[in-house]
Amino acid sequence: DAKTTQPPSMDCAEGRAANLPCNHSTISGNEYVYWYRQIHSQGPQYIIHGLKNNETNEMASLIITEDRKSSTLILPHATLRDTAVYYCIVRVRKLVFGQGTRLTINP
Amino acid sequence: EAQVTQNPRYLITVTGKKLTVTCSQNMNHEYMSWYRQDPGLGLRQIYYSMNVEVTDKGDVPEGYKVSRKEKRNFPLILESPSPNQTSLYFCASSRRDRGLITDTQYFGPGTRLTVL
Repeated sequence: DAKTTQPPSMDCAEGRAANLPCNHSTISGNEYVYWYRQIHSQGPQYIIHGLKNNETNEMASLIITEDRKSSTLILPHATLRDTAVYYCIVRVRKLVFGQGTRLTINP
Repeated sequence: EAQVTQNPRYLITVTGKKLTVTCSQNMNHEYMSWYRQDPGLGLRQIYYSMNVEVTDKGDVPEGYKVSRKEKRNFPLILESPSPNQTSLYFCASSRRDRGLITDTQYFGPGTRLTVL
C-alpha cells in the first residue's frame, strides 16, 4: 500500500475553508484515496474517498491531482467541531493509519 | 441507529488476569476488525475477520485472540494481559462488495485499557 505524507498540524479560522493536503507519490492505479478523522479519542470517522475524479459529499470535497500523486481535503466552512486529527489513507486491501494532520479550528 | 458498540469503555486490570472486550455491530457487516492506538504509533490493526468463522492476523496480533462465531460479534480476548497492552482499542466493521472491503469503516467508541 502506498505511503502518505501529511503536515503534522494546521490551523484554520472558524467559518473559513480548511484545505488539508496529502502527498501520495507512490500511489498505484487501483489504489483509492480515503480520508478519515478522529475527534479527540473517539473512534475514527469516515469522511470521503476517491479514485481519480474529484468528489463531494455533505461533509467535504476531495480534490485529486491529475497525476494522482497528491490530494486535498476541503472543509468548506470549518466549525469548532471540525477540530480533529485528519488521516489521508491510500489503500487497496486495508486501512493503514499514519500520523495524520492535527487540524485546529480557531474562533 | 447503525452503530458499533464496545464494552467495557474503560478497564483497569492487573497483569495475567484474562479479559474480554466485546464488540457488536448492527449493520450486518461481513468485515470486522480490531485496532489499538498508542501515542506516536497511530492506529495498528490487531486482527480482522472477513466473515463468520474466518479470522486473520493484522499487524500486531501477539498476545491477543479473537473469535467470530456470529456475524454481529467480534470479541477481543487477552488471555494473559501485560502492561505493554495498555492502550486505546477500537473495533470497526464494514461491508464487503465483490470480495473487497468497502470504503466506509464504522468504528466503535473505543475501550481504554490499563494493565497494571
